[in-house]
Amino acid sequence: KNEVEQSPQNLTAQEGEFITINCSYSVGISALHWLQQHPGGGIVSLFMLSSGKKKHGRLIATINIQEKHSSLHITASHPRDSAVYICAVLSYNTDKLIFGTGTRLQVFP
Amino acid sequence: DSGVTQTPKHLITATGQRVTLRCSPRSGDLSVYWYQQSLDQGLQFLIQYYNGEERAKGNILERFSAQQFPDLHSELNLSSLELGDSALYFCASSGWYTDTQYFGPGTRLTVL
Repeated sequence: KNEVEQSPQNLTAQEGEFITINCSYSVGISALHWLQQHPGGGIVSLFMLSSGKKKHGRLIATINIQEKHSSLHITASHPRDSAVYICAVLSYNTDKLIFGTGTRLQVFP
Repeated sequence: DSGVTQTPKHLITATGQRVTLRCSPRSGDLSVYWYQQSLDQGLQFLIQYYNGEERAKGNILERFSAQQFPDLHSELNLSSLELGDSALYFCASSGWYTDTQYFGPGTRLTVL
């Protein structure tokens, strides 16, 4: 079993829909990252969370430390949101990032 | 633009060869991280340097080595290349005050 699990693996949506991507982890963490990887390959860091909730534009990330779970929400999705979204946790013990396998999102007009 | 630069963008080489990938971190960032992203394994942490010293090691093969120089740029050396080493290699940097990592554009290595 992977230490970081994401669901769903693939997601398609119509423009304007509300999107949720989930991440569960099994290790102790000091932080959790949400990353976005565009079709060209570039990776952008969206959020770093250690508790609660963060919002940036149409993106919202939440984390529940007790349940070892995080969600990334996209409101009013747009075709330009099409990308792979990757959850990564910073292991408390090893201080290393452990990555989920990513969720491929496609938003159609 | 994250402020992290990587060269070259693309590299095509043959099995058995040796290559060097270069990374320049954001101005002022002391930590440099190297990651490998292959089709079958996803993103994997390779190694971290902090101010010239190795800080953490991940799934880095013995054929691979890295170093960080006094000007804080870093190089990842890959030797005795195999077909399975074909991947995107990302470098990221962070400052001492934050865990947020800023990723470079990556180097796509193709081993033929």
